[in-house]
Amino acid sequence: DGGITQSPKYLFRKEGQNVTLSCEQNLNHDAMYWYRQDPGQGLRLIYYSQIVNDFQKGDIAEGYSVSREKKESFPLTVTSAQKNPTAFYLCASSAAGTSGLYSYEQYFGPGTRLTVT
Amino acid sequence: KNEVEQSPQNLTAQEGEFITINCSYSVGISALHWLQQHPGGGIVSLFMLSSGKKKHGRLIATINIQEKHSSLHITASHPRDSAVYICAVTIYPPNTGNQFYFGTGTSLTVIP
Repeated sequence: DGGITQSPKYLFRKEGQNVTLSCEQNLNHDAMYWYRQDPGQGLRLIYYSQIVNDFQKGDIAEGYSVSREKKESFPLTVTSAQKNPTAFYLCASSAAGTSGLYSYEQYFGPGTRLTVT
Repeated sequence: KNEVEQSPQNLTAQEGEFITINCSYSVGISALHWLQQHPGGGIVSLFMLSSGKKKHGRLIATINIQEKHSSLHITASHPRDSAVYICAVTIYPPNTGNQFYFGTGTSLTVIP
């Protein structure tokens, strides 16, 4: 079955620790995205990648880092510099490449709920 | 300022009722997306449309480009329709990366 997997579903960390959230897709999509969701707010873009070994900051990239070494994988690291890391994190992918000519659906993973205390 | 506004924020309906969720946007778009988020958190795409109307089962999505407005209708609502419905747009011209701009969502509860 094709899809996007995120692990773990729930993650607990102590303040000051870095934590990495996993995102894997087998849809052969070029583009991948990380979003953060907080209660009462729309999804906000953290980082996105249109192609392997390239990624761009979104609206709220401060305190986060990513890598895209493989097409299938786009891990997100929440660093200790992120002031309010407790949130629900969603990964998504789409067929969009670098042309920017068309709109595409995005396919979402099940999410990881991160709690930092 | 949010490019995408949804109403209502919360909606409670009796089973069987006809439901309408509205979405207005303030930018030129290449497409509008309706998404469904279940209580577990995962999001699925319901519709992508750039003009007219689309139907899938009991769900109907319409868009009026001139008025920059879209509606999602649910006919014969059922408790399993209870979810958060999210409107999102991709701007025109489509920027590289196919970025979405999201509304804050409408939380729907359908009571048996």
